[in-house]
Amino acid sequence: AQKVTQAQTEISVVEKEDVTLDCVYETRDTTYYLFWYKQPPSGELVFLIRRNSFDEQNEISGRYSWNFQKSTSSFNFTITASQVVDSAVYFCALIRTAAGNKLTFGGGTRVLVKP
Amino acid sequence: KAGVTQTPRYLIKTRGQQVTLSCSPISGHRSVSWYQQTPGQGLQFLFEYFSETQRNKGNFPGRFSGRQFSNSRSEMNVSTLELGDSALYLCASSLGPGDTQETQYFGPGTRLLVL
Repeated sequence: AQKVTQAQTEISVVEKEDVTLDCVYETRDTTYYLFWYKQPPSGELVFLIRRNSFDEQNEISGRYSWNFQKSTSSFNFTITASQVVDSAVYFCALIRTAAGNKLTFGGGTRVLVKP
Repeated sequence: KAGVTQTPRYLIKTRGQQVTLSCSPISGHRSVSWYQQTPGQGLQFLFEYFSETQRNKGNFPGRFSGRQFSNSRSEMNVSTLELGDSALYLCASSLGPGDTQETQYFGPGTRLLVL
């Protein structure tokens, strides 16, 4: 069975600090997809990034960056120069190619950015 | 393009009643998945529909059911409500069937409170 672990339940930072969210996953599949979603207080899950298991290239998008390391089964997410609007719960998720559209989510990390 | 819409946004029911939640996917999306989010269990997959057929089902009792219409809109039903069914129910849509693992885009959710 697959599993996603986000060991950090809550992180509190002051605006403009960098924050890194850890995600460790377990799956026996060789082909799978990893995702990060953001859930602001409104409740809607906002898609941030999708990665397949064959693409270990790290990615930067504005203040967001992702570090995918297959050797350690990790898919970490960094917010650079955090802003108050980044306050939300962030979820890491995995889909096995044999499991249709079933996303397996981690427990989430609540990020609180203080002004 | 309009996002995923869910109705109603909030619902209060009593134990033993039944409830129907509705989801309209993004225009052109044909796959709809449902998830339950609770503080204790986190985000859990309920089921997935594509072309009016249930393609995948999570580990939930038979009281939870769903369907998809020819216009890709979906409904989920929970019968004989229990206190533990209180949750945020999220609907997600994606372009194709689950075996393509395309990105799922989520609606704002329906918050159900069972008294």
